[in-house]
Amino acid sequence: SQTIHQWPATLVQPVGSPLSLECTVEGTSNPNLYWYRQAAGRGLQLLFYSVGIGQISSEVPQNLSASRPQDRQFILSSKKLLLSDSGFYLCAWSVRGIGTDTQYFGPGTRLTVL
Amino acid sequence: SQQGEEDPQALSIQEGENATMNCSYKTSINNLQWYRQNSGRGLVHLILIRSNEREKHSGRLRVTLDTSKKSSSLLITASRAADTASYFCATARFTDKLIFGTGTRLQVFP
Repeated sequence: SQTIHQWPATLVQPVGSPLSLECTVEGTSNPNLYWYRQAAGRGLQLLFYSVGIGQISSEVPQNLSASRPQDRQFILSSKKLLLSDSGFYLCAWSVRGIGTDTQYFGPGTRLTVL
Repeated sequence: SQQGEEDPQALSIQEGENATMNCSYKTSINNLQWYRQNSGRGLVHLILIRSNEREKHSGRLRVTLDTSKKSSSLLITASRAADTASYFCATARFTDKLIFGTGTRLQVFP
């Protein structure tokens, strides 16, 4: 069966510090991968998605970047965090080539920037 | 930008009652999906309805889709306290992306 992992679960970082959030998927190959951000009490905002190694699409201009160094690894990064980067970050995957189909979500990372 | 907008934003009911949530969207879609999110957790897929379908059932869930009105509804019958969560609709067009709505927060009191 497929599983998706995210770490860390929670993170408190000062403004201006770097960020690295990691997401890995097990039990499937060539998945589509997604990073979302969810502000408190709000819906999900798609940040990045990837259909393959090194292929990243950015949805919104922002202080964040994403990389996919391996087929089942997706990393969200920032060189200098802003207060507005606080939120709940969710990684998800879907079957390659069926991007319109079901997405499977990780447990999320709660990021607080102080 | 968000494609789906759920209504109501919040809903409180007693156990045993039915809960109905609505979702409206703006453009043509390939399918529409409903997800559930418990507080502080990831989203869990509930049900997918394709654009050529009008109604779909899964256990206590019933989803309808009206493409002419660009709207969908999720009905949870005989609700339980464990159904307390936020519910999101997500629309899929013909790309690799889903666009999520703003969600309905459902509170079921025992």
